[in-house]
Amino acid sequence: GAVVSQHPSWVICKSGTSVKIECRSLDFQATTMFWYRQFPKQSLMLMATSNEGSKATYEQGVEKDKFLINHASLTLSTLTVTSAHPEDSSFYICSARRTGTDTQYFGPGTRLTVL
Amino acid sequence: DAKTTQPPSMDCAEGRAANLPCNHSTISGNEYVYWYRQIHSQGPQYIIHGLKNNETNEMASLIITEDRKSSTLILPHATLRDTAVYYCIVRPSAGGTSYGKLTFGQGTILTVHP
Repeated sequence: GAVVSQHPSWVICKSGTSVKIECRSLDFQATTMFWYRQFPKQSLMLMATSNEGSKATYEQGVEKDKFLINHASLTLSTLTVTSAHPEDSSFYICSARRTGTDTQYFGPGTRLTVL
Repeated sequence: DAKTTQPPSMDCAEGRAANLPCNHSTISGNEYVYWYRQIHSQGPQYIIHGLKNNETNEMASLIITEDRKSSTLILPHATLRDTAVYYCIVRPSAGGTSYGKLTFGQGTILTVHP
């Protein structure tokens, strides 16, 4: 149990376009999901916390208008990178906290490359 | 939030036990110790967590010192597939603004060799 999927696993887009990444908890409900970003040879950095049915909470320095998060159900959260630029190229990883527990389970990540 | 200190890298021979240390001297009484690992180009994988008592599951054992200032993750019989970056994280307790957030440090790069 505790499987989290992400779609797509990788995406290449042109500068100025928007990209949507989906995060799904497949076999459990997740009231809270988290979005992280990881640059090459660096550790994961938390971008935002997403709670089902409410607005996301963003970490300091993360632009909420650029990284739109929607958590419409207990099994799905989406991250949309708006007007993507090459500096947004990164590995985006989501995690889901199983409702009633405190353990986060991570998705496989999405590799975004902006040309 | 309590910080953790881990050695940057360790080696282990296949079939032997891998013992990964972690220092968390500023941990509070109700903060848990979590261990995750990340294999190259994949999302982190949950391994184990604990509060005070030693814990064991199908993947690993977690030994927490009595004063809770350090812990050791033990992979009893390391295989080549255990080569990964291992993260020791102190999870903030409930009630605070950081509750639930995981802060990833640089972790320990464990290399298991034949």
